[in-house]
Amino acid sequence: EIVLTQSPGTLSLSPGERASLSCRASQSVPRSEFAWYQQRPGRAPRLLIYGASYRPTGIPDRFSGSGSGTDFTLTISRLEPEDSAIFYCQQYGSLPFTFGQGTKLEI
Amino acid sequence: EVQLVESGGGLVQPGRSLRLSCAASGFNFIDSAMHWVRQAPGKGLEWVSGISWNSGTIVYADSVRGRFSVSRDNAKNSLWLQMNSLRPDDTALYYCVKDLRWDPLDSHGFDVWGQGTVVTVSS
Repeated sequence: EIVLTQSPGTLSLSPGERASLSCRASQSVPRSEFAWYQQRPGRAPRLLIYGASYRPTGIPDRFSGSGSGTDFTLTISRLEPEDSAIFYCQQYGSLPFTFGQGTKLEI
Repeated sequence: EVQLVESGGGLVQPGRSLRLSCAASGFNFIDSAMHWVRQAPGKGLEWVSGISWNSGTIVYADSVRGRFSVSRDNAKNSLWLQMNSLRPDDTALYYCVKDLRWDPLDSHGFDVWGQGTVVTVSS
């Protein structure tokens, strides 16, 4: 099983700043089959990034993903108050699919 | 509007069974693999099971294999999760989730999530 470890646990930033969230895998993620999700309080998760760096339709370009192998990063530029949420990374290249423990972003 | 609506959750005693349902609308259900993902109270996300568009590929997490069974009916745009031998650590909010691709072994991530249905296992 690929274990995903996210850092930091909590990130406190101000509107307009840039956030950088990290996710490290215990072994290489096949074919960069890696995603990021945002979960606002009381809401279902929302897909932000898939394939490590691709944004689904409707996701603002303030959200960007990078990385490969074992190290992945989600960058959120020009933070807005509504970006406050827990962000989860996920690998879907190897069964069982696994999620990181989450990074809480406070704006 | 693309939508997934779960139902069937509730309070159940340890060792008993429960069947969750998911009704899909607003997209071609037959084109998508589907999954169940759960979230224990105050905890993170845990993938539970996935099924391909034609039910030819079915996969489970080790924690539920042999106890849970996933199925779908494309004619009814419906997905189910039969949960047997329930344990207290199965207590969670269960999400029905759509995959970007048609087979969980070729997943591209989970692009549509329902609002979830709560399962509580307690005596």
